Amino acid sequence: DTAVSQTPKYLVTQMGNDKSIKCEQNLGHDTMYWYKQDSKKFLKIMFSYNNKELIINETVPNRFSPKSPDKAHLNLHINSLELGDSAVYFCASSWTGYNSGNTIYFGEGSWLTVV
Amino acid sequence: AQKVTQAQTEISVVEKEDVTLDCVYETRDTTYYLFWYKQPPSGELVFLIRRNSFDEQNEISGRYSWNFQKSTSSFNFTITASQVVDSAVYFCALIASGGYNKLIFGAGTRLAVHP
Repeated sequence: DTAVSQTPKYLVTQMGNDKSIKCEQNLGHDTMYWYKQDSKKFLKIMFSYNNKELIINETVPNRFSPKSPDKAHLNLHINSLELGDSAVYFCASSWTGYNSGNTIYFGEGSWLTVV
Repeated sequence: AQKVTQAQTEISVVEKEDVTLDCVYETRDTTYYLFWYKQPPSGELVFLIRRNSFDEQNEISGRYSWNFQKSTSSFNFTITASQVVDSAVYFCALIASGGYNKLIFGAGTRLAVHP
């Protein structure tokens, strides 16, 4: 059983399109995240949801909109895709609490290519 | 500000050599958490270890060992008798206190183990 699963794994799309990446975790965690890995392999947090509430929102263009229907799911919708959005997007989950430093478990990544 | 530095961009070794991956972190917080993740060529992010700032004991897990030294703000990772399967990008990361789980990653070290 995959603990954190995300779909699709690969996505090639044209500039200007809108696309979504879905994520589900079966670890029972109460917090989920989206991280972005750029072409130089640098990883940076985008969003975090705790029990469906947005708790971390880094400086991300508002074309990116996360949605958490329940604490086991966190989807990422991207409007008007640009070439610079090409990256690997990782979903992740953990238990959390303020100042907890709990381990974050990642999904397998979704490779997005905008052409 | 929090920061993680992995000065070694790439390391190349021959199988059975020992190799150490360096990690230096910066934080003003007294409570923080340090992590190592492995990203093999298949792309997923695999959790390896978590350490909190109050536990400076070194850890060994099979061929892997970690050396945490607060005096030098370092959390180095050693692979003993490296194998080809160890070839991957390794990331050191930090969660500082005073906030929800926000992993701050280093730039990663690409390790190539040759037969």
